[in-house]
Amino acid sequence: GAGVSQSPRYKVAKRGQDVALRCDPISGHVSLFWYQQALGQGPEFLTYFQNEAQLDKSGLPSDRFFAERPEGSVSTLKIQRTQQEDSAVYLCASSSPLDRVGNEQFFGPGTRLTVL
Amino acid sequence: GENVEQHPSTLSVQEGDSAVIKCTYSDSASNYFPWYKQELGKRPQLIIDIRSNVGEKKDQRIAVTLNKTAKHFSLHITETQPEDSAVYFCAASQGMEYGNKLVFGAGTILRVKS
Repeated sequence: GAGVSQSPRYKVAKRGQDVALRCDPISGHVSLFWYQQALGQGPEFLTYFQNEAQLDKSGLPSDRFFAERPEGSVSTLKIQRTQQEDSAVYLCASSSPLDRVGNEQFFGPGTRLTVL
Repeated sequence: GENVEQHPSTLSVQEGDSAVIKCTYSDSASNYFPWYKQELGKRPQLIIDIRSNVGEKKDQRIAVTLNKTAKHFSLHITETQPEDSAVYFCAASQGMEYGNKLVFGAGTILRVKS
């Protein structure tokens, strides 16, 4: 079946603009994660959903970042009033039904955000 | 919170040689340790993972070892090939109570010279 998809793949925004990044997880996957990957670094956790519930948003860097998954499937990460330090690749990952000890997270191709 | 350190940051090997990448973690509650391979401009892809109740796991040319006492785990690639060239990330997860979120190392750039 289809893997995790993300859109747009590339986004250029002027400083101060709002952006919305979309993630389509693998069908049936309960868990959905957003990560931020700066150039030359490993992905860093932003937020986690179990179905439609946002259970952990401890990694969101500021209140300009907001994520939602209203129907427990597609998720949107919104960044308001973008700043240059928001430039990064935003990765979405999903995983299969709940397991107490770790499940493979399947990653999307990412959205590369450049803030000018 | 959990902190994962990864070494070396770059590794060059001759085709056919072995490559070893090492990671340490800080939180003894972590119980799941995946390794991801990421080619330039591509998504991270799982290559092997290990759970805390196992000390070693092997899949063809790739193996992972885990030392819970020392809180470190390693990736071993034997008979390296040019297509193994990529960035490799280790990660640790503390399990369901923390949503299985992954904490990643900074990555190792592996170059296999033919």
